Amino acid sequence: GAVVSQHPSWVICKSGTSVKIECRSLDFQATTMFWYRQFPKQSLMLMATSNEGSKATYEQGVEKDKFLINHASLTLSTLTVTSAHPEDSSFYICSARRLAGGAYEQYFGPGTRLTVT
Amino acid sequence: GENVEQHPSTLSVQEGDSAVIKCTYSDSASNYFPWYKQELGKRPQLIIDIRSNVGEKKDQRIAVTLNKTAKHFSLHITETQPEDSAVYFCAPKGNSGGYQKVTFGTGTKLQVIP
Repeated sequence: GAVVSQHPSWVICKSGTSVKIECRSLDFQATTMFWYRQFPKQSLMLMATSNEGSKATYEQGVEKDKFLINHASLTLSTLTVTSAHPEDSSFYICSARRLAGGAYEQYFGPGTRLTVT
Repeated sequence: GENVEQHPSTLSVQEGDSAVIKCTYSDSASNYFPWYKQELGKRPQLIIDIRSNVGEKKDQRIAVTLNKTAKHFSLHITETQPEDSAVYFCAPKGNSGGYQKVTFGTGTKLQVIP
């Protein structure tokens, strides 16, 4: 149990276009999902917390108009990178939170590698 | 926000030796302390975690110890094997800003030399 999927696993797009990344919890409902960005040889940086049915909470320094997050259902959250630029090239990882044994556990998707040319 | 640091940033050990990675954090309200293993290009995998009411937890060759007073917790790997080579992240969960938030540490690259 506790499987999280992401789609696509990798994407190449041209500068100025938009890219949508989907994150799904396959066997549990997730009221909260998280989006991270990871540059090569660096740690995961939290971009935003996605809450089902409400607006996402963005971390300081993350442009909410550029990184649009929609948590449409208890099993799906999407991240849209709008007007992508080469500096947006990165590894984007989502995670979904599940309540288990009275405590929250976090499960990660496989990640999406975005390359903007 | 929470400041999370890991030491060392890189660690090389001979196969069979032990490895210890330390994570220090700043949020005294943190109550969940996991360690993740990430292989190149893959997702982080939870390998062990501990909650604030426990001082130590062990799972076969892996253990985590917690010192809440000093605000640090450590990952211990014994009898290391080449497949333990990866980047390890701590990710304490705090209560910054009124909601629970996970902050990843800077990462430790572990290399186990056969």
